Order: sequence, then structure tokens, then C-alpha cells
Amino acid sequence: DADVTQTPRNRITKTGKRIMLECSQTKGHDRMYWYRQDPGLGLRLIYYSFDVKDINKGEISDGYSVSRQAQAKFSLSLESAIPNQTALYFCATSDPGTSGPPWGEQFFGPGTRLTVL
Amino acid sequence: GEDVEQSLFLSVREGDSSVINCTYTDSSSTYLYWYKQEPGAGLQLLTYIFSNMDMKQDQRLTVLLNKKDKHLSLRIADTQTGDSAIYFCAEIPPSGYSTLTFGKGTMLLVSP
Repeated sequence: DADVTQTPRNRITKTGKRIMLECSQTKGHDRMYWYRQDPGLGLRLIYYSFDVKDINKGEISDGYSVSRQAQAKFSLSLESAIPNQTALYFCATSDPGTSGPPWGEQFFGPGTRLTVL
Repeated sequence: GEDVEQSLFLSVREGDSSVINCTYTDSSSTYLYWYKQEPGAGLQLLTYIFSNMDMKQDQRLTVLLNKKDKHLSLRIADTQTGDSAIYFCAEIPPSGYSTLTFGKGTMLLVSP
């Protein structure tokens, strides 16, 4: 079974709809991240959480919100989706406290492809 | 702030060597990483180098680090069609509260 799972894998929605993307992990890691990937722009960090009580904005948090429901679960919400939020979204985890080197290694889910019409 | 730059595209023939280059700005980076993203998949760590090293070799992969010029490269020997993917360079400062900074990724296309 995959260590980091994302649901749904694909989603098509309309402008103005509320969307939630979910991420679950069985790695026991404290740190979780949400990224979006756009062609030619690479990966950009949206939000990250270093433990259940910690939430931090990343490079491009406007229009997004997150919830860390448990150590294993980190959800990303688009309150009112717009077309320029069409992208591939990745969840990742890390745990520098327990991982050997390289301690910054992140483990990625398979991604959610979101299309906003 | 931190920035990581890569060229966006590289095309090689099967059997040739591929060299993917990256420049970074944070001289305090502890580790520098190469991640690989195969089509339809998430990123996976391919290899890494600690900042006090100049070179690291791992089978067909050679990582070179020039700290003076803040330049990192990934050489893939005897490139195969299965090496076709997007390769991301990434860095992380030494603070325990830092996050990875990724480059925009280099798409490697290997033709038969």
C-alpha cells in the first residue's frame, strides 16, 4: 500500500465551487506539505504543517485553506475555485527527527489533477 | 530569498550521457537534492549530496557540487528511455524549521 495517498486523483469542477483535496499518510511523519505544480513553474508550496497544532502559509496560500485533522491527515480546501487554480496538486510528508540523512527528504503522494472550468 | 534555477528541457539519444544543471542562491544549504518525477507520478528522491562534498557517485548517477559558484549538476551515464522524466533540483537551509526550495524542473527526453 502507498505510504502517502491523495483523494480524489482527478476532479473537474466549476468556478465558484468549494473543493476539498485530502491527503493521508501511514509513514508516521509529523510534517506535511501541500504543493501545486504548473508547467514551467515547477512546484510551489501552498501550506505546510510541522505538527498537528502548527499551520504555516507557503509561497502561494491566497485562495486556499488547510486543516490538519490528525497527524496522518492534511486537507487542502479551495473555498471558491477559479480557473487559474487548475493544476496538479501534491501532498508530501517528512520527518527530520526520525529519518536518516538526508534529513530534508520529502515523500510525495501521487497527485490530484484539478480542473476548474 | 532562496532561488533555484534550472534549464527547462534537455533532449538526448539513448546511450548518451545527460547532464542537468542547477544553480542555487542559499550558500548555507546543508543538503542539495535531485528528485525525479516520472509521467503521472509524484516526485521521488533520486540522489542527494551533503554540502561538504564535491562529488557523489551512485551507479549511473554522478552529482557534482561547486559551492563557490553555487552550481549543482546531475550526470546520468548511458541514458535509457526509462530515464525520461522531469528532474528537480532542491535545497534546504540548515534550520530545522525550513522547507525545501525546488527549481522549476528539467524535462529530460530520451529518444531511441
